[in-house]
Amino acid sequence: DAKTTQPNSMESNEEEPVHLPCNHSTISGTDYIHWYRQLPSQGPEYVIHGLTSNVNNRMASLAIAEDRKSSTLILHRATLRDAAVYYCILRVLNNNDMRFGAGTRLTVKP
Amino acid sequence: DTGVSQDPRHKITKRGQNVTFRCDPISEHNRLYWYRQTLGQGPEFLTYFQNEAQLEKSRLLSDRFSAERPKGSFSTLEIQRTEQGDSAMYLCASSPGTGDVKLFFGSGTQLSVL
Repeated sequence: DAKTTQPNSMESNEEEPVHLPCNHSTISGTDYIHWYRQLPSQGPEYVIHGLTSNVNNRMASLAIAEDRKSSTLILHRATLRDAAVYYCILRVLNNNDMRFGAGTRLTVKP
Repeated sequence: DTGVSQDPRHKITKRGQNVTFRCDPISEHNRLYWYRQTLGQGPEFLTYFQNEAQLEKSRLLSDRFSAERPKGSFSTLEIQRTEQGDSAMYLCASSPGTGDVKLFFGSGTQLSVL
């Protein structure tokens, strides 16, 4: 299975943009890149996903490198409520086993 | 859309006892998943249902674990003869039967085995 590598932790200041990196050098052509986040005492929450092109939604933006070996989740203006563990996951097309790594713990400072 | 509901939120049991958790997925979601999460780690896949059929099981799911989804609606996860190593958060997720797989998670059941 293709794996992802994320920093263990990152810090950000409130109201500033945050760029959360993810490396997935062994990604295959049919792997989708998914991002979830987990707030304290809650289950994971879907954030965004993409295949090749950059994606935007109300929560975040996903920037995918041209060679697809890395991606970046962008929170445009971090708030205290964005403090969470962010998981970058590769999902094989038609495979229902989403494999989470340890993720990046984001701390947002006021 | 009331979200994925899990019951109970917390369960404390003694080693050797059996425990059962329940998950109510989002209405009309055909797919249901169970994950286990220990402190500081990401969720680990346990098993997956398409309607009432259990289609995939992780090797993490030992013979003490059994999951069911009768009638393709709610699901139960039972752990027999619990061990201290079973202490974890058990998460349930559901997703629609068609289209891309976006998982909707419940808040989990925190199991503590004493």
